[in-house]
Amino acid sequence: DIQMTQSPNSLSASVGDRVTITCQASQDINNFLNWYQMKPGKAPKLLIYDASNLETGVPSRFSGSGSGTDFTLTISSLQPEDIATYFCQHYHRLPLTFGGGTKVEIE
Amino acid sequence: QVQLVQSGAEVKKPGASVKVSCQTSGFTFTDYYLHWIRQAPGQGLEWMGMINPRIGSTDYAQKFQGRVTVTRDTSTNTLYMEVNSLRSEDTAVYYCAKGAGTATGRLDNWGQGTLVTVSS
Repeated sequence: DIQMTQSPNSLSASVGDRVTITCQASQDINNFLNWYQMKPGKAPKLLIYDASNLETGVPSRFSGSGSGTDFTLTISSLQPEDIATYFCQHYHRLPLTFGGGTKVEIE
Repeated sequence: QVQLVQSGAEVKKPGASVKVSCQTSGFTFTDYYLHWIRQAPGQGLEWMGMINPRIGSTDYAQKFQGRVTVTRDTSTNTLYMEVNSLRSEDTAVYYCAKGAGTATGRLDNWGQGTLVTVSS
């Protein structure tokens, strides 16, 4: 199985800060990488697909980059509503696997 | 709009079975792969398996082979997942999710989650 290593496990930042989360695959996954946002008690939400494509309706402050094994999710200006846990996920082949998650908090 | 509405919370004893449903609407049920993913308390997300609703073919994570069964009812556009021989480690929130077109592993819509608690 392809292992997805996400970092950091958690971070605390101020409103307006630029936030970066990284995800590393154990092997080349091309650009078959998605990012999701999870808030307690709510359905997970797809933010970024194919490493860098913004899902419809997602604010433009979210962006993704990378290919091969190294990927990044960036929030250009952190907002209070961005408090959540973020997961990366590959779909290069089955089984799908997820990163361990990054919990984002406001300072 | 696309909706995936899951059945309510369950409490089961070890060794029992549980069947979770996911009622879908807002898209052509047989055109998109459907998945099950779970999240145990304090843990990350774990993909369990998926089904091609058109033909009923399934794929499972090796960990769940033989103990998890994913089915569907095309007359009601409902997805099901049954877990047998429950153990305490199966306590988790279970999510159904819809794959996006040809990108079957892109999970573009999710259910609200169903908490399954396994406890004696």
